[in-house]
Amino acid sequence: QTVVTQEPSFSVSPGGTVTLTCGLTSGSVSTSYYPSWYQQTPGQAPRTLIYNTNTRSSGVPDRFSGSILGNKAALTITGAQADDESDYYCVLYMGSGIWVFGGGTKLTVL
Amino acid sequence: QEQLVESGGGVVQPGRSLRLSCAASGFSFSSYGMHWVCQAPGKGLEWVAVIWYDGTKKYYAESVKGRFTISRDNSKNTLYLQMNSLRAEDTAVYYCARGIAGGSDAFAMWGQGTMVTVSS
Repeated sequence: QTVVTQEPSFSVSPGGTVTLTCGLTSGSVSTSYYPSWYQQTPGQAPRTLIYNTNTRSSGVPDRFSGSILGNKAALTITGAQADDESDYYCVLYMGSGIWVFGGGTKLTVL
Repeated sequence: QEQLVESGGGVVQPGRSLRLSCAASGFSFSSYGMHWVCQAPGKGLEWVAVIWYDGTKKYYAESVKGRFTISRDNSKNTLYLQMNSLRAEDTAVYYCARGIAGGSDAFAMWGQGTMVTVSS
């Protein structure tokens, strides 16, 4: 069974740039997986950041961008701010209506 | 204002049933695919099920297939999740999410969630 992989944790300095990735245990992520990204702070519902690889959801600042880097989907945050400290989840479309989330990345801004 | 409000969660014994509801407002509910996503305490997000805008197609995660049923009533702008044969591992916050389009598309917006606890 293919698993969606994410870095368990990452840290970035305020004002810095960080790239989180979303891969597969078997194979490469492409736009055909329609990767999307979600931000979640403790006790809150997820917030949609990016869908269809690189389309920003309404109201999401352009500090957040999505792409394919090598064989993975990527979420890049530029000019990191304190309130970017959150859990970030990617999800991939596996076909036949099925979606699979990655395990999430806990981003620390310090 | 676009909004999704889940209800129906609670504490239920293993093997029993529960039905969750998700009331939609502020957008054309009948135009969008709808999902259920869950999150066990302290764990990550897990996709549960999707239903097409018109209810004609439904797909489920393997972990719930045969036990859970997703449905919708477009006349009431409401999404449902019928949960049968509940297990302790089904304990989670359940979110409904609107798709970006009419089929099984990425999640555009989310409700605040409803907690389901399966315990004797």
